Amino acid sequence: EVQLVESGGGLVQPGGSLRLSCADSAFTIKNYWMSWVRQAPGKGLEWVANINEDGSEKYYVDSVKGRLTIYRDNAMDSLYLQMNSLTAEDTAVYYCVKYATAMVWSWGQGTLVTVSS
Amino acid sequence: QAVVTQEPSLTVSPGGTVTLTCGSSTGAVTSGHYPYWFQQKPGQAPRTLIYDTSNKDSWTPARFSGSLLGAKAALTLSGAQPEDEADYYCLLSYGAAVVFGGGTKLTVL
Repeated sequence: EVQLVESGGGLVQPGGSLRLSCADSAFTIKNYWMSWVRQAPGKGLEWVANINEDGSEKYYVDSVKGRLTIYRDNAMDSLYLQMNSLTAEDTAVYYCVKYATAMVWSWGQGTLVTVSS
Repeated sequence: QAVVTQEPSLTVSPGGTVTLTCGSSTGAVTSGHYPYWFQQKPGQAPRTLIYDTSNKDSWTPARFSGSLLGAKAALTLSGAQPEDEADYYCLLSYGAAVVFGGGTKLTVL
């Protein structure tokens, strides 16, 4: 059953901004760490950022620090990724992931972000 | 940040056995890295195959197993089936940060 649904992807110009959203139809987001993982066309998976259950801890891959911001709204059962100063290297499918330490990762179906003029 | 290494590609015969490995640039992979293995088929999202070194997700076929092998995490497929042809990614945890390996393209031929 589909639980995580990403939205907000699309075409954006270099230097532009975009906000991705991830909705949890299981309404359990507050109990889990959440993460964004991306996959550039024809490439492998790259972890982007994660956030703990109450949003007090956030971690990022070096290449996105200062440009991408992960945050969550547990009351809305939603995860977000604010993406600023985008470059062509940010072009990828972005997946939302829900997990607990040493437990199964549950993945969304992904949303495509294309950075191009 | 650490670099996680995997074989870029492997080939296995139908019914055969193959082992994929996952190494870390920081040293030996241990249970403290909580090794994961994900399977991804073309056009699909990844899905968890193995978590926490050797635990299987509810859908994981019995022919897949995870372990620590020497200084690496390992995914062994015993009795390969055509539907096992896919990309396989390992993931290691370094505290709260995580790193994916580059992936192994497994061909069943």
